Amino acid sequence: DTGVSQDPRHKITKRGQNVTFRCDPISEHNRLYWYRQTLGQGPEFLTYFQNEAQLEKSRLLSDRFSAERPKGSFSTLEIQRTEQGDSAMYLCASSSIYTLTGKNTEAFFGQGTRLTVV
Amino acid sequence: AQRVTQPEKLLSVFKGAPVELKCNYSYSGSPELFWYVQYSRQRLQLLLRHISRESIKGFTADLNKGETSFHLKKPFAQEEDSAMYYCALSPDTGRRALTFGSGTRLQVQP
Repeated sequence: DTGVSQDPRHKITKRGQNVTFRCDPISEHNRLYWYRQTLGQGPEFLTYFQNEAQLEKSRLLSDRFSAERPKGSFSTLEIQRTEQGDSAMYLCASSSIYTLTGKNTEAFFGQGTRLTVV
Repeated sequence: AQRVTQPEKLLSVFKGAPVELKCNYSYSGSPELFWYVQYSRQRLQLLLRHISRESIKGFTADLNKGETSFHLKKPFAQEEDSAMYYCALSPDTGRRALTFGSGTRLQVQP
């Protein structure tokens, strides 16, 4: 499968624990996005990277959240001191940018990591 | 700030009936609009984008800037169209991350 892959697929953790998720984008894509999806809602933007630079963070991303994309390849999303409200599906997506138009290619999504905080 | 509204949580139709999934947006610039679909136990995938102006799996969507709408239509629904459909907007500047609506579940009954 050459699409976007995310690991783990499911994570159950106790409140207060730290968790880390990994996303491997499509190899030639230079843009990588993290979204969060809760029940009955569409995905909500959290943050995005262009290559290794984190260019924007949503106000949804509290200080307990940190994301990295070392070397512009895979990315990690860490949540410290998890709370029950962090329970959600965390989605990663990648895309590329057309250099001539500045427009994005289609965004390809991973299957997500479902986090349950108990 | 941009916003995408999908007023229907659930749309149930019979096979062969026409389908229209509604999407309205608010954005001051010239956005790009998309429809994404999620079939059961599968990942979110692009169905169509307005700049392509093509029909995918019999679905079409026209961007109406006057009404700020991007409704998804299909003349004859098939059972395999049953899925969750999300309308999404990408701004014309900046991060170009997608803003999604809350989704509409389409159920096509035999």
